Amino acid sequence: DGGITQSPKYLFRKEGQNVTLSCEQNLNHDAMYWYRQDPGQGLRLIYYSQIVNDFQKGDIAEGYSVSREKKESFPLTVTSAQKNPTAFYLCASSIRRAGGPSTDTQYFGPGTRLTVL
Amino acid sequence: AQSVAQPEDQVNVAEGNPLTVKCTYSVSGNPYLFWYVQYPNRGLQFLLKYITGDNLVKGSYGFEAEFNKSQTSFHLKKPSALVSDSALYFCAVRDAEDTGRRALTFGSGTRLQVQP
Repeated sequence: DGGITQSPKYLFRKEGQNVTLSCEQNLNHDAMYWYRQDPGQGLRLIYYSQIVNDFQKGDIAEGYSVSREKKESFPLTVTSAQKNPTAFYLCASSIRRAGGPSTDTQYFGPGTRLTVL
Repeated sequence: AQSVAQPEDQVNVAEGNPLTVKCTYSVSGNPYLFWYVQYPNRGLQFLLKYITGDNLVKGSYGFEAEFNKSQTSFHLKKPSALVSDSALYFCAVRDAEDTGRRALTFGSGTRLQVQP
């Protein structure tokens, strides 16, 4: 899991609550990503950020929000608008080299398992 | 649009036997291909990648994968399976022409079970 930390490991949310998942990396990577993992569906992209103070919606952004105020941090907020938030959430990061192609290997954190009560 | 198919939900193999986990992909441009492994309640660990060059790519823990452009496949292989290889394996692809999003598209995963 390298230099990417996610907290908490387990999180429980009541109906109508917003919760924030933490993702921190000390790899000096520019790009960061949030994925959601559901059984039998692989990983789906929620949000991504290629640079500080900029982020873009992925394939399933509805009900989620993010911020990227620091290079090292990319927190994900699961809002009450997300109707089915129970899932395993994975954060990843990669180098984004300027001026040429990048192989963009993504390295993943250990994940946060969110359960709605 | 890009996509990945892992046609087998589970692969069973005896320890010491060779293993293959299948992956096929679809991208509009040239592919960057990746294999990751996931142990229970853990994040994904990078195994290997194909970017360009030699079609046979060697990675961590004795795994290798063969890129076949005509068949759009990137099957994961290992000559001799270990019980400790039992895990969930994901294939992923990115279009090399995608210089914006650069996000990976993952397959649904294949569970590898190695019996002692």
